[in-house]
Amino acid sequence: SQELEQSPQSLIVQEGKNLTINCTSSKTLYGLYWYKQKYGEGLIFLMMLQKGGEEKSHEKITAKLDEKKQQSSLHITASQPSHAGIYLCGAARKTGANNLFFGTGTRLTVIP
Amino acid sequence: NAGVTQTPKFRILKIGQSMTLQCTQDMNHNYMYWYRQDPGMGLKLIYYSVGAGITDKGEVPNGYNVSRSTTEDFPLRLELAAPSQTSVYFCASSYSEGAGAKNIQYFGAGTRLSVL
Repeated sequence: SQELEQSPQSLIVQEGKNLTINCTSSKTLYGLYWYKQKYGEGLIFLMMLQKGGEEKSHEKITAKLDEKKQQSSLHITASQPSHAGIYLCGAARKTGANNLFFGTGTRLTVIP
Repeated sequence: NAGVTQTPKFRILKIGQSMTLQCTQDMNHNYMYWYRQDPGMGLKLIYYSVGAGITDKGEVPNGYNVSRSTTEDFPLRLELAAPSQTSVYFCASSYSEGAGAKNIQYFGAGTRLSVL
């Protein structure tokens, strides 16, 4: 089983609708990172959350971290076709070299 | 604003051939990484480096080798390519102070490799 589970695996929404993607860890979180990937491209860093209850926003994307539930959510308000892509969460291990391990991603399609 | 540059973008190999995937970064980052991404499987760490001259295995190192002779470059070597190595390969770099510290990784555009 994956250490980081993302849900849903895929999502199709009408332009203008709100949506939420969840990332749940089976282990203690020491930093949660959200990335976006477009087909044929690398991952683009969106936001990083480190403390329980922390919330960050960038344009119409908001991410929150619930340390007790070991979960993060990514919320997009008034979705646009430019939001389409694959969203991946990554989490840090506190030991070792501080590597990140990633979820399997959520594929978002926004219909104009 | 080059960031992390990977070459080549695409490659087709025959079984048993070898090749090197190149990765260079111009951000003076101490950490560098190689991942592979298979459909529906997320990113798996192959090898990483915490500085020039230091490399270590990730989750899926078999069939690969790396070296880090400079801060900027982190090539990935595939010896005796196998169909199981068909994947998209990503190089990334970051500045980190170690366990528990912030570690924002910046990714290259990827190399699509097919082994036939």
